[in-house]
Amino acid sequence: EAGVAQSPRYKIIEKRQSVAFWCNPISGHATLYWYQQILGQGPKLLIQFQNNGVVDDSQLPKDRFSAERLKGVDSTLKIQPAKLEDSAVYLCASSLGAPGQGETQYFGPGTRLLVL
Amino acid sequence: AQSVTQLDSHVSVSEGTPVLLRCNYSSSYSPSLFWYVQHPNKGLQLLLKYTSAATLVKGINGFEAEFKKSETSFHLTKPSAHMSDAAEYFCVVRAGNKLTFGGGTRVLVKP
Repeated sequence: EAGVAQSPRYKIIEKRQSVAFWCNPISGHATLYWYQQILGQGPKLLIQFQNNGVVDDSQLPKDRFSAERLKGVDSTLKIQPAKLEDSAVYLCASSLGAPGQGETQYFGPGTRLLVL
Repeated sequence: AQSVTQLDSHVSVSEGTPVLLRCNYSSSYSPSLFWYVQHPNKGLQLLLKYTSAATLVKGINGFEAEFKKSETSFHLTKPSAHMSDAAEYFCVVRAGNKLTFGGGTRVLVKP
């Protein structure tokens, strides 16, 4: 079974530029998550989708971050404009069922972003 | 509200000796608890999970963890460390829809 795919793996941009990350979850997984992992910290949930609907985006900085999952399969996370403090690894995860059903989350390898 | 505290940011062990990674949690709900491992440049991998069944949980690669409600702890152990165990380990609590990660423990294995 193929895992969660993410691209690009690495990205370096200057502050105030825009950047987008892509995630393709495990086939058939209804729920998709984006996390931000700052160096030396555990991952923090940014946004959670079930199919193409947003379940939880309470920790997403909506003034600069946006995410979509238009067809309920793959997803993009965008930052516009980027700040220095956005330097982090952005992790995508997916799970089979709806949130709260106790499904295990499977993580992709992450996109490492450096903002200069 | 829920939170997770990993008591050691770094642990150094010799190959073949036991490993202990400590985790304390707080949760308003009856929690589900997990340990994930993250190798360099790789995704997070689930080691084991506790979901209110047996309090001693066995995971992959010889790891196990014990849920102790009275101590609000979920410590991870392995009897004999291997070089391939060098990685970062995260204790995670789930309540409702939300996963909360601890700060991580980096494990160094010396030959």
